[in-house]
Amino acid sequence: GQNIDQPTEMTATEGAIVQINCTYQTSGFNGLFWYQQHAGEAPTFLSYNVLDGLEEKGRFSSFLSRSKGYSYLLLKELQMKDSASYLCAVRDRPTGANNLFFGTGTRLTVIP
Amino acid sequence: GAVVSQHPSRVICKSGTSVKIECRSLDFQATTMFWYRQFPKKSLMLMATSNEGSKATYEQGVEKDKFLINHASLTLSTLTVTSAHPEDSSFYICSAKTSGLTYEQYFGPGTRLTVT
Repeated sequence: GQNIDQPTEMTATEGAIVQINCTYQTSGFNGLFWYQQHAGEAPTFLSYNVLDGLEEKGRFSSFLSRSKGYSYLLLKELQMKDSASYLCAVRDRPTGANNLFFGTGTRLTVIP
Repeated sequence: GAVVSQHPSRVICKSGTSVKIECRSLDFQATTMFWYRQFPKKSLMLMATSNEGSKATYEQGVEKDKFLINHASLTLSTLTVTSAHPEDSSFYICSAKTSGLTYEQYFGPGTRLTVT
């Protein structure tokens, strides 16, 4: 089976930096994704890592260590609109099938 | 970017009836579509994968006779919840991808199903 763990909730201050961790144990690995989801809306794509290291995209960065089964999403210069759930998802099947298995999501609350 | 729509966005039905949810890719051809359900404050759970013109592949624990999936064209997949019960009340989200090695899935806006 697939096991993907994230903290359930986090709170951070506007303007600060927050790191959301994700650990995974899956039968295979073909990439890790981070999505943002506002309540009642569909997830939106944030980042994709398939090799070890850091991927930076504006205020958001994502890190992957395949040997440790570990990833994190780093959000800088937090804004109130960043309050949302952040979903870590792993693709465990060969490229092309693209099945994603999601963690429980981390609900981030940004406070003034 | 690619756009995926779902219809209806919200539906309320009585226990025992069937409900059909449509998922459309508006500006690209989706060879593969995925159906997820999401309970309140929980993450997405993959229900099934459907490939155009073939039978859907269901995840373990998902009843294929209860959740009927049809992917009749490259732009449309439907999920029919048959004989719905209150425990089927959930947020159903579809996603779509094109053929080839692209990794990205494009999600629809979701359908809120409430069974009374």
